[in-house]
Amino acid sequence: KQEVTQIPAALSVPEGENLVLNCSFTDSAIYNLQWFRQDPGKGLTSLLLIQSSQREQTSGRLNASLDKSSGRSTLYIAASQPGDSATYLCAAETSGSRLTFGEGTQLTVNP
Amino acid sequence: KAGVTQTPRYLIKTRGQQVTLSCSPISGHRSVSWYQQTPGQGLQFLFEYFSETQRNKGNFPGRFSGRQFSNSRSEMNVSTLELGDSALYLCASSLDITSYNSPLHFGNGTRLTVT
Repeated sequence: KQEVTQIPAALSVPEGENLVLNCSFTDSAIYNLQWFRQDPGKGLTSLLLIQSSQREQTSGRLNASLDKSSGRSTLYIAASQPGDSATYLCAAETSGSRLTFGEGTQLTVNP
Repeated sequence: KAGVTQTPRYLIKTRGQQVTLSCSPISGHRSVSWYQQTPGQGLQFLFEYFSETQRNKGNFPGRFSGRQFSNSRSEMNVSTLELGDSALYLCASSLDITSYNSPLHFGNGTRLTVT
């Protein structure tokens, strides 16, 4: 059974800082690893999807990496802004279970 | 292009009742999956439908059921509601059964409160 863990659970940083969110998974037989953002009371917004054959994906100030052999993914956010404040969730897609989510990292970027 | 639409947004029910939630996927998307989100358990996969057939199912009791119609719209039903069913129920759609090149698109959810 796939298990996904995210560290840290919460993070508070000043505006402009670069930061890294961590995600680990137990079963390396994944189709892909996805990062989502969730604002309070809202659904999830897809940020990045890394196929199992890929090492990283970039979108604007976001960069996600994937190391299947070690069961880890990181989300790098450059030059953080107050608008980046949200909960960030990673999810591993495996056969038969669709997405298995981590508990999320609650990010606060202070002006 | 309209996003994933879930109705209703909020719902209050009492224990023992049943409830039906609705999800309209993005036009052209054939896969619809459902997730339950609670503070204690996080996001958990309920089930997925593709071409009107349930393809995957999570570890939830039989009180939770769903279906998909020919236009890809989906409903989920929860019978004999329990207090622990209070949660945000999220629906997601994608082009295909897996996310190879089509990430999941989530709706804003239905907030169910059971009293």
